[in-house]
Amino acid sequence: GNSVTQMEGPVTLSEEAFLTINCTYTATGYPSLFWYVQYPGEGLQLLLKATKADDKGSNKGFEATYRKETTSFHLEKGSVQVSDSAVYFCALSDQGGSEKLVFGKGTKLTVNP
Amino acid sequence: DSGVTQTPKHLITATGQRVTLRCSPRSGDLSVYWYQQSLDQGLQFLIQYYNGEERAKGNILERFSAQQFPDLHSELNLSSLELGDSALYFCASSVGLDNSPLHFGNGTRLTVT
Repeated sequence: GNSVTQMEGPVTLSEEAFLTINCTYTATGYPSLFWYVQYPGEGLQLLLKATKADDKGSNKGFEATYRKETTSFHLEKGSVQVSDSAVYFCALSDQGGSEKLVFGKGTKLTVNP
Repeated sequence: DSGVTQTPKHLITATGQRVTLRCSPRSGDLSVYWYQQSLDQGLQFLIQYYNGEERAKGNILERFSAQQFPDLHSELNLSSLELGDSALYFCASSVGLDNSPLHFGNGTRLTVT
């Protein structure tokens, strides 16, 4: 079945450091890929998405590129801020949209000033 | 604020009991999704409703059931509760069945003692 594997956290960085959170997936066909972010005490929010190979999703300085050859969708940000501290979830959907999202286990990021 | 409202925020109950979790989707959203978030299993898709009809089923136990009412709010019923059912239960909604993103509520934390 479909699955998503994320790098295990927690990840602790200093402000303005470069961030990479690795995500690889297993799926049949051509899934859509997503990154969601969960701030403390809140629900998940869509951060970015990509629906086909070589698409790059971007939002709030975060980027991720859909790499079919390596089945990866790594999240990157050039300079993190304290306000980026949250749990990040990689997810896929093989339904074309947001149906039946399969999530990774999440990576907790802490950014220190 | 995602516009998705979940009640109650916290629920503490004993094994063997039954509880009902409630979700009001964002205004205009026809699809409602239920997810269970636990430390060991991560985020698991339970069930989806679209405009009152069950649309997709995930890893939902037979002791659990859900429905979506004509006003589009949804309820998740959990019965014969076990310690292992302790988790955060999230509701999410989306406009329809296309590629529209999910909007998550803040969750209901269920503790079974």
